[in-house]
Amino acid sequence: GIQVEQSPPDLILQEGANSTLRCNFSDSVNNLQWFHQNPWGQLINLFYIPSGTKQNGRLSATTVATERYSLLYISSSQTTDSGVYFCAVVNYGQNFVFGPGTRLSVLP
Amino acid sequence: NAGVTQTPKFQVLKTGQSMTLQCAQDMNHEYMSWYRQDPGMGLRLIHYSVGAGITDQGEVPNGYNVSRSTTEDFPLRLLSAAPSQTSVYFCASSYGGGVGELFFGEGSRLTVL
Repeated sequence: GIQVEQSPPDLILQEGANSTLRCNFSDSVNNLQWFHQNPWGQLINLFYIPSGTKQNGRLSATTVATERYSLLYISSSQTTDSGVYFCAVVNYGQNFVFGPGTRLSVLP
Repeated sequence: NAGVTQTPKFQVLKTGQSMTLQCAQDMNHEYMSWYRQDPGMGLRLIHYSVGAGITDQGEVPNGYNVSRSTTEDFPLRLLSAAPSQTSVYFCASSYGGGVGELFFGEGSRLTVL
């Protein structure tokens, strides 16, 4: 089945810094989402982005499906951005396959 | 709009006991699924359903049963709990299965002693 990799696995930032999280996948996809799991364990939808670029406040995402990767940009990071960021893809089936996540810690 | 609702949020069981994790969604989504999340293992699919009366196995189905009698509800049953089933369980739903946006419930933390 499709493999999903995320990098870096861990990231520590000072508040106010910018960061880029990467998601690589091994096969073509027709769906891709980014989620944030906050320190309380809730999975929050960030972007539904099978292709193209979207922005939502300080966050933006780009998916280049033909090159099998997606990027999540976080600008001017805040302590509330801490948590784990997951990329999930669908390889023309019914189900999402999740990457292992990037754990982000934003220090005050 | 409640979205995806899971109950209970926390549960402690003894080995061999049975229980049901409830999941309900009010978005008229055809697709519903159950994942488990374990440290270092990410989110793994247990079972899924593409509509009422239709269920199928995911990556880690052993020890779990599901049914889908209505569009709204997708309960997950543990018939004889084992310590290996200690985990956090998430229910999720989407409109259109793999082509739709997936929404998660808040999770249920299960401990099996």
